[in-house]
Amino acid sequence: DAMVIQNPRYQVTQFGKPVTLSCSQTLNHNVMYWYQQKSSQAPKLLFHYYDKDFNNEADTPDNFQSRRPNTSFCFLDIRSPGLGDAAMYLCATSREDRGGTDTQYFGPGTRLTVL
Amino acid sequence: AQSVTQLDSQVPVFEEAPVELRCNYSSSVSVYLFWYVQYPNQGLQLLLKYLSGSTLVKGINGFEAEFNKSQTSFHLRKPSVHISDTAEYFCAVTSPYSGAGSYQLTFGKGTKLSVIP
Repeated sequence: DAMVIQNPRYQVTQFGKPVTLSCSQTLNHNVMYWYQQKSSQAPKLLFHYYDKDFNNEADTPDNFQSRRPNTSFCFLDIRSPGLGDAAMYLCATSREDRGGTDTQYFGPGTRLTVL
Repeated sequence: AQSVTQLDSQVPVFEEAPVELRCNYSSSVSVYLFWYVQYPNQGLQLLLKYLSGSTLVKGINGFEAEFNKSQTSFHLRKPSVHISDTAEYFCAVTSPYSGAGSYQLTFGKGTKLSVIP
């Protein structure tokens, strides 16, 4: 089945130790998103890629970076995780064209713990 | 700017009883509306969506929602809930013609549905 895959599902890192989360998709969608979701809160958009174009949300900390080496893969890099970065990180994809936006499909998420 | 209000943060309901989860939105342009469900430690799963056409939308797991433009609402309903419906439900809105570079999906704060045996 076509889907959005996130690895790992659970990630534990130490305060200040860089960490990378992975997302891949078989939907061939041209837009990929990264969201941060803290406990009992709605998902918060960090950034998205439209094809190769990177779009950062204004309030996303510089500590968060992203890479998209090809259509299928997208990575979230947290350069120096703090305790406040502990959260669920959700990857989503959608197909966008000149006709406009459409449904976002989410992966299962990666729960990040910072010790 | 768009916003979504989910009026109830928690909804307890007995098994096999009906349930309605309320969602109101605010937007100055036409909208697409979505309901997602999130089970503990899982991602968001699409329940149903309204893009255009019939205002009554049927989704997975027996859920349905009705788009009411005059009341700017998109309430989610199920006639008989099961224990397995216990989860958090998010209503979300986006504009269909955002243009390249603007794909904000605005979420409500979520409603936790607890089904009581």
